[in-house]
Formats: sequence, C-alpha cells, structure tokens
Amino acid sequence: DAGITQSPRHKVTETGTPVTLRCHQTENHRYMYWYRQDPGHGLRLIHYSYGVKDTDKGEVSDGYSVSRSKTEDFLLTLESATSSQTSVYFCAISEFPAGDYNEQFFGPGTRLTVL
Amino acid sequence: GDSVTQMEGPVTLSEEAFLTINCTYTATGYPSLFWYVQYPGEGLQLLLKATKADDKGSNKGFEATYRKETTSFHLEKGSVQVSDSAVYFCALKLSLSTDKLIFGTGTRLQVFP
Repeated sequence: DAGITQSPRHKVTETGTPVTLRCHQTENHRYMYWYRQDPGHGLRLIHYSYGVKDTDKGEVSDGYSVSRSKTEDFLLTLESATSSQTSVYFCAISEFPAGDYNEQFFGPGTRLTVL
Repeated sequence: GDSVTQMEGPVTLSEEAFLTINCTYTATGYPSLFWYVQYPGEGLQLLLKATKADDKGSNKGFEATYRKETTSFHLEKGSVQVSDSAVYFCALKLSLSTDKLIFGTGTRLQVFP
C-alpha cells in the first residue's frame, strides 16, 4: 500500500471556524490531490499540486485553499467552514501524472462535519 | 461536458452470482477508462483500467471492456464473494497527457452469503 496518511480522520467543527486537513506521504511522489466525496456526486477535485509551492484549482475550489511547503505534506484549509463543506475528504498522490502508467493512490479519508 | 454515468445502487447479490455494474461516458477525444473500488472505511484503489477502444482491463476476477461504439465500460465478475462488497467508481481521464480524473457517482455492491 502507498504510504499516505490523513489527519485528523474525523472532525466535527462549527460554522465559521477555520479547519486544516493534512495529507502526508512517504512515497516522494511529486503530484498530490485533494478530493471531496459526497452522495450523488462521486469524487470531485478541489485542488492539486505539481510540486512544492506549485498548486492549482480543481472543479470545486471555492472556499478552500491549499499549501505545499514540503514534498511530503499537502494541507487543505477551510478558512471559514460552512455546512456545505460537510463531506469526506480524500487525498491522493501520483508519481507520473499522465501516460499509461499513471495511477492515483488514495489516502484513507477524513470525515468532516460542520455544524 | 465530459462526464461518467453509473447505475444507481445498491446492487444486492448472493455469493457466487454474476455481477454487472453499468458505466457509460461522455467525452471528447479518446479517454482512458478506470474502475476504482472503495472498501468500507478505506480510500479508493485502482481495480482495472483500459486506455483504448476494445482493450479489456482485468484484475481479481473483474473485467471491463472499453466499447467506443456504445461509450461504455461495464464492470463484470462471474462469481462474486462477500469480500467484494464495496463501492465501485467508474472514472475517465480525458487523454494520456492529463492527470485529471472524472468520477462517476459510485455504485454500492452488497454480497450476502
């Protein structure tokens, strides 16, 4: 299994509070991704990173920011959490972003509840 | 726009039954197609993939054939086990030059002894 951990695994917070989720990898893969998983929507890409300090927006980036100061860590921040951000958040990594050998490896997920 | 459509779940089967989970896609160009599986409490794992028309991906007894003429990538298994109970996601990647995956909504499979 790819070495990907996410913390915390579960979090309950209140509307308006800041929240930071952490993804940590031990594979030294260059590419990292944050997704959210919601019933009826599957997985949707929030933000992704092509390397240290190199990030870009995905499909549903509003209300989220990311940072990547080290290869192994990719942080997802909700500056002011809203109930619509209640979801399960998955981090993924890949070594080769494209081509026949591309595969994304997923972390175990973080369940976030915003009250 | 580009999208993936999966059959609604849950799919409920008895052990050793035949499984089909339907997946169709809409995409420009020539996408690569994937099936990911999510076991309870875990992240997604790649199950199989196909990168061009008529390719058949296979793994752990599961198979799917890339059908360009019907824009489909249906997942099949001849004899399911209780341990196959999971959520299955169909996904596409628009080309070999991109890393962006577009996922379907997922189909939950429940297999009973």
